Amino acid sequence: QKEVEQDPGPLSVPEGAIVSLNCTYSNSAFQYFMWYRQYSRKGPELLMYTYSSGNKEDGRFTAQVDKSSKYISLFIRDSQPSDSATYLCAMSDTGFQKLVFGTGTRLLVSP
Amino acid sequence: SAVISQKPSRDICQRGTSLTIQCQVDSQVTMMFWYRQQPGQSLTLIATANQGSEATYESGFVIDKFPISRPNLTFSTLTVSNMSPEDSSIYLCSVEDSGTGGQYFGPGTRLTVT
Repeated sequence: QKEVEQDPGPLSVPEGAIVSLNCTYSNSAFQYFMWYRQYSRKGPELLMYTYSSGNKEDGRFTAQVDKSSKYISLFIRDSQPSDSATYLCAMSDTGFQKLVFGTGTRLLVSP
Repeated sequence: SAVISQKPSRDICQRGTSLTIQCQVDSQVTMMFWYRQQPGQSLTLIATANQGSEATYESGFVIDKFPISRPNLTFSTLTVSNMSPEDSSIYLCSVEDSGTGGQYFGPGTRLTVT
């Protein structure tokens, strides 16, 4: 079993939809949780990070962490075609150093 | 956040040869990281490079295969040695931003070994 599981998709939604992206993990020591967006042939771009449990909002993006269920989510409101990319979750028990990544979920937002 | 560049952006190499990938950051950083991203797989940490000390390698990666240099606080290189087709992958460097938090990635080097 992988330490971090993520559905590879693709997840196809119409423009304007609310998107929910999720990861589960097995290591209860993870405290730092990150979401990255990766466009084709580009490096991953850090969208947001959270520490421990709770929610964090940044514009159209909301990250949620449920440590009791070992489950994290990224919600995208009013999705746009420009949101079409692969979304990677990452987590760590040592701050922003040794990150463990999910395989990524490919999101397609159609106009 | 730091701006990171990598050279080359892509290369096609013959098996048995070596390739050195360069990573340049626009600010001084303590920790730099090298990752591999194979098709359909998650990013995998190869090693952590601190300036002035030997790189720390993750399980499954060895210095003879992936020698790393870190001559100063803004630059690092990763060499992929004695390449085989299984080394075909995207190689990424990243840095930790201790000020704002988070780990930031370069654009990657796409390597194909024939």
